[in-house]
Amino acid sequence: DAGVIQSPRHEVTEMGQEVTLRCKPISGHNSLFWYRQTMMRGLELLIYFNNNVPIDDSGMPEDRFSAKMPNASFSTLKIQPSEPRDSAVYFCASSLGVGRIRETQYFGPGTRLLVL
Amino acid sequence: AQTVTQSQPEMSVQEAETVTLSCTYDTSESDYYLFWYKQPPSRQMILVIRQEAYKQQNATENRFSVNFQKAAKSFSLKISDSQLGDAAMYFCAYRINEKLTFGTGTRLTIIP
Repeated sequence: DAGVIQSPRHEVTEMGQEVTLRCKPISGHNSLFWYRQTMMRGLELLIYFNNNVPIDDSGMPEDRFSAKMPNASFSTLKIQPSEPRDSAVYFCASSLGVGRIRETQYFGPGTRLLVL
Repeated sequence: AQTVTQSQPEMSVQEAETVTLSCTYDTSESDYYLFWYKQPPSRQMILVIRQEAYKQQNATENRFSVNFQKAAKSFSLKISDSQLGDAAMYFCAYRINEKLTFGTGTRLTIIP
């Protein structure tokens, strides 16, 4: 059974460029999460979706960041324009949530982003 | 606000010995979940163990077990018979509803 799939695994770009990170959750999972990990701030939740609908985007740092989930098997996190301080590892995670029962979040391998 | 505190930035243990990683959290909720995730150098976040707050029995997964003290808001991870492959960053995490809050991590080194 495939886990959470993220692409690309590594991205190097120049300041001002648009960056798009992609995620395919585990089949059957209905919740999807985007996290960012930096040395300074640790692991932070950026946004999460339930049944393809954004539920909480309070962690999105600013308007340069946007996330979409057009269907149950695909999500994107876009940064436009990118800045050096966006350099981080971005994780996607998914889980199966039903009512009050929330299952474990399973993480993808992450995308290491470097903005020069 | 919910917070998770890991007071040990680094720990080391001799191979085959036992080590305990500490974690405390702060919440006013009664229904929540606690997790330990492992992050090896590959950066992959790997679930080690989970604990439901309503369960009094401590969770166990092979060589990994927790000491969950709900009143004290403490959730430590014990690794028995440490192996070289256990070397990693370990993150304690607390979840209420869908949101996971992570601690700052403990880097575990295994001494051969």
